Amino acid sequence: DAGVIQSPRHEVTEMGQEVTLRCKPISGHDYLFWYRQTMMRGLELLIYFNNNVPIDDSGMPEDRFSAKMPNASFSTLKIQPSEPRDSAVYFCASSSILAGGNNEQFFGPGTRLTVL
Amino acid sequence: GIQVEQSPPDLILQEGANSTLRCNFSDSVNNLQWFHQNPWGQLINLFYIPSGTKQNGRLSATTVATERYSLLYISSSQTTDSGVYFCAVEKRMDSSYKLIFGSGTRLLVRP
Repeated sequence: DAGVIQSPRHEVTEMGQEVTLRCKPISGHDYLFWYRQTMMRGLELLIYFNNNVPIDDSGMPEDRFSAKMPNASFSTLKIQPSEPRDSAVYFCASSSILAGGNNEQFFGPGTRLTVL
Repeated sequence: GIQVEQSPPDLILQEGANSTLRCNFSDSVNNLQWFHQNPWGQLINLFYIPSGTKQNGRLSATTVATERYSLLYISSSQTTDSGVYFCAVEKRMDSSYKLIFGSGTRLLVRP
């Protein structure tokens, strides 16, 4: 298995631009998580999906952030408009609960976002 | 919400030394994972260990769920062990499956 795939690996953009981060979970996993890592706040959950349905978006910082999961193999996290304080590493993770899975979460390589 | 505290925050070792990292959590948990974040930023799964003891090569982990702590042991450390070690827990309340991360232990292994 290729593991969780994220793209792009690095993104540099200017304030006010739209940013779209992409994630492909591990095949067969039914949970997908978006986390953000910053020096100040560490690793924190933004939103997670179960079977493509958003379950908990309480960590999404504000309306500028949105996430979708149109099918079991693809999710996007969009920031519009982006601001310098959004600069962080964004991780996608997936896990399996069905068929006796234990929710061990596996992380992608992350997208390092810099907003100038 | 549940609190996760890791100690020590920083650790410097000479290659070949052993170390113990600690993770304390404030409530019962359904899931506990240890991760290694390497210098390139990737989060690597080390252990899924809500209770009991596991070993994988030079690394082992023990979770004492009743006393709300977990320990990660690194033996015969190597420079490639450098990075940040995170403990993360899940408390499955109201069908919530999110992980709560500690602030990490930053390890530097010198040659």
